[in-house]
Amino acid sequence: DTAVSQTPKYLVTQMGNDKSIKCEQNLGHDTMYWYKQDSKKFLKIMFSYNNKELIINETVPNRFSPKSPDKAHLNLHINSLELGDSAVYFCASSFGQGTVTQYFGPGTRLLVL
Amino acid sequence: DQQVKQNSPSLSVQEGRISILNCDYTNSMFDYFLWYKKYPAEGPTFLISISSIKDKNEDGRFTVFLNKSAKHLSLHIVPSQPGDSAVYFCAASVAGGADGLTFGKGTHLIIQP
Repeated sequence: DTAVSQTPKYLVTQMGNDKSIKCEQNLGHDTMYWYKQDSKKFLKIMFSYNNKELIINETVPNRFSPKSPDKAHLNLHINSLELGDSAVYFCASSFGQGTVTQYFGPGTRLLVL
Repeated sequence: DQQVKQNSPSLSVQEGRISILNCDYTNSMFDYFLWYKKYPAEGPTFLISISSIKDKNEDGRFTVFLNKSAKHLSLHIVPSQPGDSAVYFCAASVAGGADGLTFGKGTHLIIQP
C-alpha cells in the first residue's frame, strides 16, 4: 500500500545507455515531480507535471524526458547516460501546485560507469 | 545561489532534550515552508509545514516557527527521541508556483542516549 513507489531501487549502467525509471502514486494526486539529489546532497527539482502542463527546470539536459501514461504515473527516461547523471532520483506527488505538501517515493540510486 | 540555507550540517542532542534545527531563506516570494525527515536509503518523509500567514504550527512533539521579517524558520523537537536521528530538510515553495520545492542542504540530527 505504498503511496509513492519507484522502480528500480538501484540502477547500474554504462555510459551512453538509455534507461527509464518508473514512478507510480496511489494517492489520487494530480501533480507529479522528479527531483535529483546529487553527490552534494542537494535535492533539486527537475520536472513538475500535471494534466495541463509540464514545467521543466531549465538546467535539466534534454536527454531527460518525463512521460506520463496517466495521472498515477510519471516515468523518467534518460538518453545517452553520462557519468554526471549518477545520483539519487526521487519522484513525488501532490494535490495541485504551489503551497501544497509533496509526498516522496523511496528514490532510485543510479550509477553510471 | 542557495535560496534555502541550513547552515548546520549536523547537530547532536541528548535524548529527552530539545532539538532546534534552523533554516534561512532569501526569496521573499516563498510563502509555504515544510520540514522533511529522511532516513538513509529512503525518500524524504513529510513532517510539518507552515504557511506564511502564521508564525507557529505545532504537531505533537514538533513545532515550526516562522519569522518572516528575518526570513528564518526553525523546527523544535521536544523531547528528542532516538528515532528522531535522521537528516532534516527545510523546503519552501511559492503560492501558485509550479516550480516544485526548493530544498536546503539538510541537517543531520543525532540523538545521543
